[in-house]
Amino acid sequence: DQQVKQNSPSLSVQEGRISILNCDYTNSMFDYFLWYKKYPAEGPTFLISISSIKDKNEDGRFTVFLNKSAKHLSLHIVPSQPGDSAVYFCAAGGSGTYKYIFGTGTRLKVLA
Amino acid sequence: SQTIHQWPATLVQPVGSPLSLECTVEGTSNPNLYWYRQAAGRGLQLLFYSVGIGQISSEVPQNLSASRPQDRQFILSSKKLLLSDSGFYLCAWSVQGFDEQYFGPGTRLTVT
Repeated sequence: DQQVKQNSPSLSVQEGRISILNCDYTNSMFDYFLWYKKYPAEGPTFLISISSIKDKNEDGRFTVFLNKSAKHLSLHIVPSQPGDSAVYFCAAGGSGTYKYIFGTGTRLKVLA
Repeated sequence: SQTIHQWPATLVQPVGSPLSLECTVEGTSNPNLYWYRQAAGRGLQLLFYSVGIGQISSEVPQNLSASRPQDRQFILSSKKLLLSDSGFYLCAWSVQGFDEQYFGPGTRLTVT
């Protein structure tokens, strides 16, 4: 059973527009969430995180929103740039447990 | 600054052969260390994690084992590879007490 789901395997967005990547989880014990970006043949790069005590966290062009009641988080990229084209993974876990469950990823393509 | 190294970058091995993948971290002490596998079309699956020398936690029963002979060295091994062991293997580290994990470049393993 997949505890962390990214239901959109791919997404295409025009350069300059907003990219919204979604992630759903099932375990209400998860209290820390992370987003990673991955280029082909490379390891994932940490992007941004959010604790369950918050509903929003911003870092430059990246904002993560958390809706605990819906067990849903999303990553917004504004404005989207061609260099943002990559696979994005969300991960969820219990803070300090060291064990994070990763989604299957969403491939974002930003069109110039 | 901290860096994480993995080698080899790619590996092709026959079924039944042994495996040894190495990961080392520089620029930090007493990190948490992790081994993940990404199979084709799947998310990142946590295989092992370690919070200290000689301490290994296994997340998935399988044909693989891990060891941590030194503080910043993490080794993934197998005595006899199976076809299903093919995948992209990633090593990661985190600071004790913090949830963000930082990944190495990965090893592409193909078992033939």
